[in-house]
Amino acid sequence: GQQLNQSPQSMFIQEGEDVSMNCTSSSIFNTWLWYKQDPGEGPVLLIALYKAGELTSNGRLTAQFGITRKDSFLNISASIPSDVGIYFCAGRNNAGNMLTFGGGTRLMVKP
Amino acid sequence: DAGVTQSPTHLIKTRGQQVTLRCSPKSGHDTVSWYQQALGQGPQFIFQYYEEEERQRGNFPDRFSGHQFPNYSSELNVNALLLGDSALYLCASSSGQRMDTEAFFGQGTRLTVV
Repeated sequence: GQQLNQSPQSMFIQEGEDVSMNCTSSSIFNTWLWYKQDPGEGPVLLIALYKAGELTSNGRLTAQFGITRKDSFLNISASIPSDVGIYFCAGRNNAGNMLTFGGGTRLMVKP
Repeated sequence: DAGVTQSPTHLIKTRGQQVTLRCSPKSGHDTVSWYQQALGQGPQFIFQYYEEEERQRGNFPDRFSGHQFPNYSSELNVNALLLGDSALYLCASSSGQRMDTEAFFGQGTRLTVV
């Protein structure tokens, strides 16, 4: 089963609002990734984090790699309708290249 | 530059049958990973192929097998299909040589077992 706990499971927000979601793990990961998946498509990489404490931005998206290596968060500022989708966190450790995914956060934006 | 391509996009099979799914990696990538994504859940790692060999395997039964060809494309085979095998099967490619390349995913194959 999945080892990453992602929250919230879903969010329904007004356009223009900021969004925050996070991911926690019982295990340490050396890499944290955030993906977005639209209906009928595969996940698309948004942000990759490689060092504990690292804070990285990609446009309106900002993500951080937790100091304990057991958590990460993703923030979206000034949400727009095209932000709608499912956001997944994923972790990778020294055991290889396999990714462990969270359960996803479904984001809905009201215009 | 073509990304990761998977075929077919949709498939319906009967319980007990066998199925083969195909994946062509992104240009320049030599490593292929397969994931199973049940409805409403995150993807689950099945296995990864590099240099035509299975390099890592997740917690899936032996009914799930794969193959990688010299041109880096890959197949996922599932035998004795169960209703619970119904899912979106995702292929992801990456570079085995460069640790800074992350996985690019295909659009997936939607498998329905009836």
